[in-house]
Amino acid sequence: EVQLVQSGAEVKKPGESLKISCKGSGYSFSTYWIAWVRQMPGEGLEWMGTIYPGDSDTTYSPSFQAQVTISADKSNNTAYLQWSSLKASDTAIYYCARVLYSYGCSTFDYWAQGTLVTVSS
Amino acid sequence: EIVLTQSPATLSVSPGERATLSCRASHTISDNLAWFQQKPGQPPRLLISGASNRATGIPARFSGSGSGTDFTLTISSLQSDDFGVYYCQQYKNCPLTFGGGTKVEI
Repeated sequence: EVQLVQSGAEVKKPGESLKISCKGSGYSFSTYWIAWVRQMPGEGLEWMGTIYPGDSDTTYSPSFQAQVTISADKSNNTAYLQWSSLKASDTAIYYCARVLYSYGCSTFDYWAQGTLVTVSS
Repeated sequence: EIVLTQSPATLSVSPGERATLSCRASHTISDNLAWFQQKPGQPPRLLISGASNRATGIPARFSGSGSGTDFTLTISSLQSDDFGVYYCQQYKNCPLTFGGGTKVEI
């Protein structure tokens, strides 16, 4: 059974750093792209970027390019999303999702449960 | 960037009725369109990819149609479990984009 499990909720202060994780199981993790999607409170879905764990090839949305870093550790079947300096506007639920097709710009077939990140002073 | 516009914003439907949701793309995207359902407190769930292909385990009452710029998700006989927000998503080009969503109220 394909499963993606994210790390738990985080409460941070502005300016702090953060790295959240997404662990895959039940499939060949290194051969499927993984995407990150943001959902701000009460809002819709925004694609942030996608990584291929096999070689860490990454594509970012222009809206998030300079704001976050996406990485992966194929030996641990885990993808990561990190911030170096959080802002209050980063408060959101962040989802990782498996990409359906064998290219980065595609849709998503399995989703993790989401990680709520709250940034507040 | 391809903009997706969904309508209506909210749809109030009674159980057993037919629901029709629309998604319009700002540029042609062929059939590179997916539909998702999201319930409160849950991640989105893939319903349809390739504009008309139901994902694994999705009931036959969900159907998708369209190509180019105009797409439709139809729920043939709405059930109480079908409430939630429905999003379309294009994957013709990066950046991948989602529509603003249609909230289906039972």
